[in-house]
Amino acid sequence: DAKTTQPPSMDCAEGRAANLPCNHSTISGNEYVYWYRQIHSQGPQYIIHGLKNNETNEMASLIITEDRKSSTLILPHATLRDTAVYYCIVRVGGGSQGNLIFGKGTKLSVKP
Amino acid sequence: ETGVTQTPRHLVMGMTNKKSLKCEQHLGHNAMYWYKQSAKKPLELMFVYNFKEQTENNSVPSRFSPECPNSSHLFLHLHTLQPEDSALYLCASSRTEGGGTGELFFGEGSRLTVL
Repeated sequence: DAKTTQPPSMDCAEGRAANLPCNHSTISGNEYVYWYRQIHSQGPQYIIHGLKNNETNEMASLIITEDRKSSTLILPHATLRDTAVYYCIVRVGGGSQGNLIFGKGTKLSVKP
Repeated sequence: ETGVTQTPRHLVMGMTNKKSLKCEQHLGHNAMYWYKQSAKKPLELMFVYNFKEQTENNSVPSRFSPECPNSSHLFLHLHTLQPEDSALYLCASSRTEGGGTGELFFGEGSRLTVL
């Protein structure tokens, strides 16, 4: 599976958009980009995933560059409850996501 | 509430004790997983079960013994653990096939301390 690179930490003001970048320059054509987050002392939570088109759901938007070498997770109006570690994972799609390999992620701190 | 329930939430045990962690999912999933999260380390996948059969064991020491009696329940039996086994143990479930995103649903974890 392709490796991903994320900044270790980011800050965001409450009510503003949080834009979390992820580099995956070695991604191959059949690999998807998955995003999960982990709020302190809880299990990770699925956010969104995509292959090459931009995706949006009730939690976030995922913007994937045309060359697919990087992506950005956007939380449009960050709240204090969005403070968490965000994981960007690249893996061949289809079937369950049980063999996702979680890295160190980005620790997002939303501040009042 | 994710539909995946883990008990106990906290466990303290000595190195010679035998204890078990329990996981139950009410989502109709047929795949279940145990993950380990040590302090300041990424999540590590330990075991995978599909339709009650173990399909993956990531070189986990034999002092950790999983059991999956049915698709809704998963246990992790603990015996003769070491202090370095202290960690957050997370259970997850997912669908294996047949549509959906295949996303993982995690429980809140069992915080284990080995003295």
